[in-house]
Amino acid sequence: DAGVTQSPTHLIKTRGQHVTLRCSPISGHKSVSWYQQVLGQGPQFIFQYYEKEERGRGNFPDRFSARQFPNYSSELNVNALLLGDSALYLCASSLWAEAFFGQGTRLTVV
Amino acid sequence: GQQLNQSPQSMFIQEGEDVSMNCTSSSIFNTWLWYKQEPGEGPVLLIALYKAGELTSNGRLTAQFGITRKDSFLNISASIPSDVGIYFCAGQLVTQGGSEKLVFGKGTKLTVNP
Repeated sequence: DAGVTQSPTHLIKTRGQHVTLRCSPISGHKSVSWYQQVLGQGPQFIFQYYEKEERGRGNFPDRFSARQFPNYSSELNVNALLLGDSALYLCASSLWAEAFFGQGTRLTVV
Repeated sequence: GQQLNQSPQSMFIQEGEDVSMNCTSSSIFNTWLWYKQEPGEGPVLLIALYKAGELTSNGRLTAQFGITRKDSFLNISASIPSDVGIYFCAGQLVTQGGSEKLVFGKGTKLTVNP
């Protein structure tokens, strides 16, 4: 079975631009969560979506938004990029309590 | 907000040695998870713990969910070079709104000398 897949794997953007990151969960998993991981730290919770509805949001500004589609795939959007948004963005899918992560999208803002 | 204190920050050991790392928190968690992350990859789930006091093994890995639900440890026995990586503990919270979020520690970087 395919695991969690994310695209793209790497991305370079300029300050002020916007970015869309994509995630396909494990087949049968209805919950998708997004995390931001900066160098040297553990992942930080951004959003959780379940059955296309936002279930929870972490302490991130409104520039961050997300959505989940009928096939349970998800997009994370970040507007007005700042240098500090440079990080590894991780998507996790879960059926129950166990969360399985994709390989991440490495975003560099210059 | 919730924080996890993970220790040690890093470990340098010889192949064959046993390893122990732990996480503590001031908050109670419903579930404890342990992950391993290698460079350029996402975290890989190693062990999940669901009940206070639970002791679970996965090969050479053993983890326990503390009785108070505020701590957990991970042991690796007879380490091998492929154990190299960063190990993260994560506590799962279910918020009033029904959100299930993971709170991560800062990681323990493990180096194994052959």
